[in-house]
This record gives sequence, C-alpha cells and structure tokens, in this order.
Amino acid sequence: EAQVTQNPRYLITVTGKKLTVTCSQNMNHEYMSWYRQDPGLGLRQIYYSMNVEVTDKGDVPEGYKVSRKEKRNFPLILESPSPNQTSLYFCASSELFIYEQFFGPGTRLTVL
Amino acid sequence: DAKTTQPTSMDCAEGRAANLPCNHSTISGNEYVYWYRQIHSQGPQYIIHGLKNNETNEMASLIITEDRKSSTLILPHATLRDTAVYYCIVRGTNNAGNMLTFGGGTRLMVKP
Repeated sequence: EAQVTQNPRYLITVTGKKLTVTCSQNMNHEYMSWYRQDPGLGLRQIYYSMNVEVTDKGDVPEGYKVSRKEKRNFPLILESPSPNQTSLYFCASSELFIYEQFFGPGTRLTVL
Repeated sequence: DAKTTQPTSMDCAEGRAANLPCNHSTISGNEYVYWYRQIHSQGPQYIIHGLKNNETNEMASLIITEDRKSSTLILPHATLRDTAVYYCIVRGTNNAGNMLTFGGGTRLMVKP
C-alpha cells in the first residue's frame, strides 16, 4: 500500500531534550516536506526536499533540522525543543512538485 | 500563489450533493486549483486539481469558471464520512518548494 509513515505518532518531552521524528514514503517520490499545524494558523511548511541531499527552508524553519540521505526517508530533528514547538506535525511527499501531495498521519508533539 | 476565499462552514444532507465554492480572483495563468480535505486532525487528503478545464475523479468533480476566478468542488453524494474541513489552494508551477498554503478552509458538516 502506498503510504507515508511517521513515528512516533505521539510524543511528550521536556525542553532541551533532542528528538527526531521519522518520515518514510514507499512511493519513490522526489519531493518531501514537513509541515506543522497550529490552531488558527493553518499548516505551515518547515522544510522541504526536492531530492536526495537537496533540502531548503520553508516558512518556519527556526529550531528544526532535516536531512535527506535516502530518497524514502526525511527525518525532522529538534536539537533543543522548546514549548513553542508543541504542535501537530505532518510529513508529505509527491512525485513531482506540481503533483498531489500525500500526507502522513501526523505526529502530535508536546514539549513541557 | 493567489489567495483564496471560502465560506467558513456549510451543511449538507446525507446523500445530497455538496457544492463547495472558492474564489480566487487573482489567479494567474500558470496557477492550478487544488482541493484537499482534512478529517479531524488526520493528515490532509488530496481530492482533485485542475488548471482550466473541469475535472472529475472517483471522489469529486471540480468546476472552474471560464475566467478562472472561482471554482466549485462537488461531492455528488455526500456521506457522513465526508464531514471534514475542505481547503481550496491555488499554486503555481514555479513554486519550487511545493508548498501548499492552507487557508481557513470550509468546514463541511454532513447531516443524516
């Protein structure tokens, strides 16, 4: 089944404790993105990647890192999480940049 | 990318057609109209997209006016599972980040 998977689905952590949210797609897609969703602010893009080893900032990259060492994986790294990064995170992928994006199920992160 | 305007909420009776309007009066020639929906904090789901011709797939139909300043998403036989927030998004082919800008959307409530 074609899908985007994210892990973990739920995470509660404390300020400053490094964490990684994994994202994997099995559709051989070139493009992958990370979004965060907050009440009243909609979905905002954090980082995107057009291909392996090619990443760039989206609208709200501060406090996040990403890497794209393999085509299927696009982990989101929070080196020193803070409470303002409490949010619902979605990973997405698409075959080409004008094609539809497939979203993962989301990761609900709480930083205390 | 052009801005879109959608009604905040709509109701529809189960089994009837749901017609969701979207205004995008500043759309330019290379910009596509996309529709996504999000069911209660799940990952957004692609529905359909089009450039200037009407489009139909197994989920919905997209009607774009001749001047392309507005469009309507039609769910021909709405079910309770179609209750969701529906997002109309306009994006161009030069959007290198493949970023989708989600506005407020229309909250569709399908009632028995």
